[in-house]
Parts: sequence; structure tokens; C-alpha cells
Amino acid sequence: DVKVTQSSRYLVKRTGEKVFLECVQDMDHENMFWYRQDPGLGLRLIYFSYDVKMKEKGDIPEGYSVSREKKERFSLILESASTNQTSMYLCASGDPGQRYGYTFGSGTRLTVV
Amino acid sequence: AQRVTQPEKLLSVFKGAPVELKCNYSYSGSPELFWYVQYSRQRLQLLLRHISRESIKGFTADLNKGETSFHLKKPFAQEEDSAMYYCALRYSSASKIIFGSGTRLSIRP
Repeated sequence: DVKVTQSSRYLVKRTGEKVFLECVQDMDHENMFWYRQDPGLGLRLIYFSYDVKMKEKGDIPEGYSVSREKKERFSLILESASTNQTSMYLCASGDPGQRYGYTFGSGTRLTVV
Repeated sequence: AQRVTQPEKLLSVFKGAPVELKCNYSYSGSPELFWYVQYSRQRLQLLLRHISRESIKGFTADLNKGETSFHLKKPFAQEEDSAMYYCALRYSSASKIIFGSGTRLSIRP
């Protein structure tokens, strides 16, 4: 079974803090993704990566950046957290082509106060 | 632009009744469609893919290219089906998957 592990289940941060969300997968997948999940809006893609040191913007990249220094790890960075970034963040990984869809992590619920 | 639409935010049915969760998509190419499910306090997981034409937990979904739909169906709902369901579309040009806004299915005893 593919495992996608997100380091924190719950986080509370203050406005203006720099926040790191970590994600690790153990199946040698090339592709990794960060989504945020909000009621009524579904899952919205923030950033994704096809390979180490490669990244592409998704649909809502503003206020976020990412880092992929190793194949198994994909980090989401909130440079200066704001209250409108309070959300559930989901990491996913997939094989090339994603014929079998993605495998998701259990999510990090971030609250910015 | 590619889009996935789930018109119902909430669907409530009685146990034993048929269930249909609606999904429509817009994509000019050849789509690959998925249904994902998220049970309470669990991670989002793949339920089924249209290319495999399988039935999982009694659910089926047929791709209708003419109507650009991929509705999820189950003839007899069970209480354990209560969950959040997302329809998703993979479009080949970007090898990404986009999701609908989700439908919360609630099964009443």
C-alpha cells in the first residue's frame, strides 16, 4: 500500500508566521500534489511537482510556495500566514499518468489566528 | 476550460433506497473519471475509476460522453455509505486531476 504521510494532523499558527507543511511518500512516485479542501469548494490544487526540484503552479498558488529537494518529500510553505489560509491541506502522490488516481495523506488542519 | 460539477451539496436518502450522486464534466478531449470517497475522520480514497468498469461496495458509475456525465449509483443504500463523495477528472495534457466540489451523502436509518 502506498503511504502518504503528513507530519502534522493539526496546526495552529499566528498571522504573519512562516508555516511549513511536510509530506512524505514511500512508493517512489514522481508526482506529488498539494490541495486545500474547503466546504463547498471541494479540493483546489495549490502546487504540484513532477520531479525533484520541479514545481508548477496549480489553481490557487498565491501566498504559497513549495519545495521538493528529495523525491519522497514535498513541502508546502506559507510565507506569511493569513487567516484566509485556515483550511484542511491534503497532500497526494501518484504514478506517471495517474491511471490509478492519487493516494492522499490524512490531511493537516491549519488554523491561522 | 476543464471543469467538474457536482450539483448537490447534500443528498439524504433512507437506508435501502437507491442512491444517485450526479457528476458532470467539461473537457474536449478523452476524459478519465474517478469517484473518491471520504468517510468521517478518514483520508480521501479512490472509490472507482471509469476505465476499470468495476463495482465497488455496490457502487457503479457509467461514463456517458453524450451527456458528459459520470453519475455514481447504488441500488440499495447502507448506513455505512454516509460520507463525502468527490467526482474527479484527469485530463491528459497536464496529467493532473481536478475535483468537483463534493456531495455529502447522508443515509437515514
